Amino acid sequence: QKEVEQNSGPLSVPEGAIASLNCTYSDRGSQSFFWYRQYSGKSPELIMSIYSNGDKEDGRFTAQLNKASQYVSLLIRDSQPSDSATYLCAVKGNAGNMLTFGGGTRLMVKP
Amino acid sequence: EPEVTQTPSHQVTQMGQEVILRCVPISNHLYFYWYRQILGQKVEFLVSFYNNEISEKSEIFDDQFSVERPDGSNFTLKIRSTKLEDSAMYFCASSGTGETGELFFGEGSRLTVL
Repeated sequence: QKEVEQNSGPLSVPEGAIASLNCTYSDRGSQSFFWYRQYSGKSPELIMSIYSNGDKEDGRFTAQLNKASQYVSLLIRDSQPSDSATYLCAVKGNAGNMLTFGGGTRLMVKP
Repeated sequence: EPEVTQTPSHQVTQMGQEVILRCVPISNHLYFYWYRQILGQKVEFLVSFYNNEISEKSEIFDDQFSVERPDGSNFTLKIRSTKLEDSAMYFCASSGTGETGELFFGEGSRLTVL
C-alpha cells in the first residue's frame, strides 16, 4: 500500500513569513512529486513538480526532494493571506500514471 | 489557458439511481483520470484511461463504475446504482504525455446521494 503522509495542521504563519510544508512517502520507487493547492470547496491546482533530488524554485515557492529520506517539502516565502489553503503532496510511482495524494496540510497566513 | 471542464457542478440523486458525470479534458492531452474526494478526506484515485481503454483502476472502482470516451472530446464516469457512500466531489483530470505525471484537474462535480 503506497502511503503519502502530511501533517494535517493547521500551520499558522504571519504574513511575510516563510511557510514550510512537509511530506513523506512510502514507495521508494516513486519518481515524480507534486504540490497542489486546494482552496476550500475547490479543485486541486498544480503549484510545483519535482523529479530529482535537491531544490527547485519557482517564484515564491521552493520544492525540496530527498529520495534517500523519502521526503518532499514546499517552502513558501513572503507568505500572503491569499496563500491560506490546503496544500496537497502527490506522488507518482515508477509504474503507471496515477498519483497518490497525502491528506493535505492546512496553511493559515495571518495578516 | 486550456482547462478541464466538468458538468454538472452539483447533482443530487436518490440512492439506487444511475448518474453520469461528464468531463471535457484539455484538448491535446492523452491521459484521463477520475478522482474523488469525500468531504474532509483525501483525494482518492479511481481510474485512468489511455488509448480508449482503462489503464489503471483502484479498489474503489468496482463493477458499479464505468468510464467511457463516447466521442473525441468527452470523458464520462457512470455510477450504475448509487449508494449513500458515493456522495463526494468527483474530479476529472488530464495529462499530456504521461511521462511527467502533471495532472490538471477540473472544477469537480459534487454528487449528493439521498
